[in-house]
Amino acid sequence: GAVVSQHPSRVICKSGTSVKIECRSLDFQATTMFWYRQFPKQSLMLMATSNEGSKATYEQGVEKDKFLINHASLTLSTLTVTSAHPEDSSFYICSASRPLTSGWDEQFFGPGTRLTVL
Amino acid sequence: AQSVTQPDIHITVSEGASLELRCNYSYGATPYLFWYVQSPGQGLQLLLKYFSGDTLVQGIKGFEAEFKRSQSSFNLRKPSVHWSDAAEYFCAAGSNDYKLSFGAGTTVTVRA
Repeated sequence: GAVVSQHPSRVICKSGTSVKIECRSLDFQATTMFWYRQFPKQSLMLMATSNEGSKATYEQGVEKDKFLINHASLTLSTLTVTSAHPEDSSFYICSASRPLTSGWDEQFFGPGTRLTVL
Repeated sequence: AQSVTQPDIHITVSEGASLELRCNYSYGATPYLFWYVQSPGQGLQLLLKYFSGDTLVQGIKGFEAEFKRSQSSFNLRKPSVHWSDAAEYFCAAGSNDYKLSFGAGTTVTVRA
């Protein structure tokens, strides 16, 4: 159990267009969903945290008007990159968390979405 | 500020040899500690985690890690690597708000 999917796995778009990425927890209801960005050969950087039915919390330096996050249900969160530009090209990874008896909400990661903006 | 450091960017090891990946953390208190592996085209997979208790933690795929509070370290080890262990490895630390901070990662190459 604890499978997280992302769609699409790869997307290429023109500069100025918007792209939506879906993150779904397939077999559990997620307490929280997280969105990360990973540059080539670099670490994952947390972009935002979202809970169902409430506004996402963005990390410092992340433009909330560029990276729109919607968390419509306990199993679905979407990230929309608005007016994408080449510098937005990156690998975007989501995770969904569920509580453990230890008190920590373990995160389960999606396979990622490769965004290329031309 | 909380941070996780992985000093080794790239490690090459022969198949069958032992592997150790270093991880140091800087946190106000003992954080939750994790090791993940990322293979091309796949999501991050949790290898093991440390919350409290026994400082030697056993994980999947034959990996283990040891928490050393005095050194603020959580190094990952495997006694004998397989070619399939070639991947990117990330150490991460979690705080009470359930957020994870990742190290920069270590790329492991396995030579025949």
